Amino acid sequence: QQQVKQSPQSLIVQKGGISIINCAYENTAFDYFPWYQQFPGKGPALLIAIRPDVSEKKEGRFTISFNKSAKQFSLHIMDSQPGDSATYFCAASIKGGATNKLIFGTGTLLAVQP
Amino acid sequence: EPEVTQTPSHQVTQMGQEVILRCVPISNHLYFYWYRQILGQKVEFLVSFYNNEISEKSEIFDDQFSVERPDGSNFTLKIRSTKLEDSAMYFCASRKRSGNTIYFGEGSWLTVV
Repeated sequence: QQQVKQSPQSLIVQKGGISIINCAYENTAFDYFPWYQQFPGKGPALLIAIRPDVSEKKEGRFTISFNKSAKQFSLHIMDSQPGDSATYFCAASIKGGATNKLIFGTGTLLAVQP
Repeated sequence: EPEVTQTPSHQVTQMGQEVILRCVPISNHLYFYWYRQILGQKVEFLVSFYNNEISEKSEIFDDQFSVERPDGSNFTLKIRSTKLEDSAMYFCASRKRSGNTIYFGEGSWLTVV
């Protein structure tokens, strides 16, 4: 129940296209859902995050869509650029928990072709 | 922008040796974490630390692991007797008291041979 399932495992998108990565969770106590971007040899960096009281959050070319009833959330990257090529991890945590530890999905390796 | 810094960036050690990975969290942060990422796999929680004690640990964090905050700035992860399967990237992370954002360092790559 602590798992976060992420798909696809890898994704190839043409420059200018839309990249979509999906995640699903079981634990209804999760109430914070960030997406992290990781470049090779670097640590994960927060990209965008959402709380379950909203269905969508947009920051520039990045949008999170959240479906509370389905316990799913997704990351959309509009106008994908070669510089977006990285591994993307969804995650979930419980606010006010002892630690707010993040439970990560398995990651999606995105390659944006020029 | 403040960042979490980790040393060493890469360490090679013999199986059975002790390893200490060091971290300097962001200065006004109060929650500290260690995560592990085996090559090509997801990032896994190891341990969280708050108010000078472990607040939560995963089943990965067995008796071979320990954490310490020896002074006001450093946060260390010690592996007492390394195994081959401890080879991974170890990330230190930190968070303010309020807010959810967890900031990660660039990692320490540990290779056990």
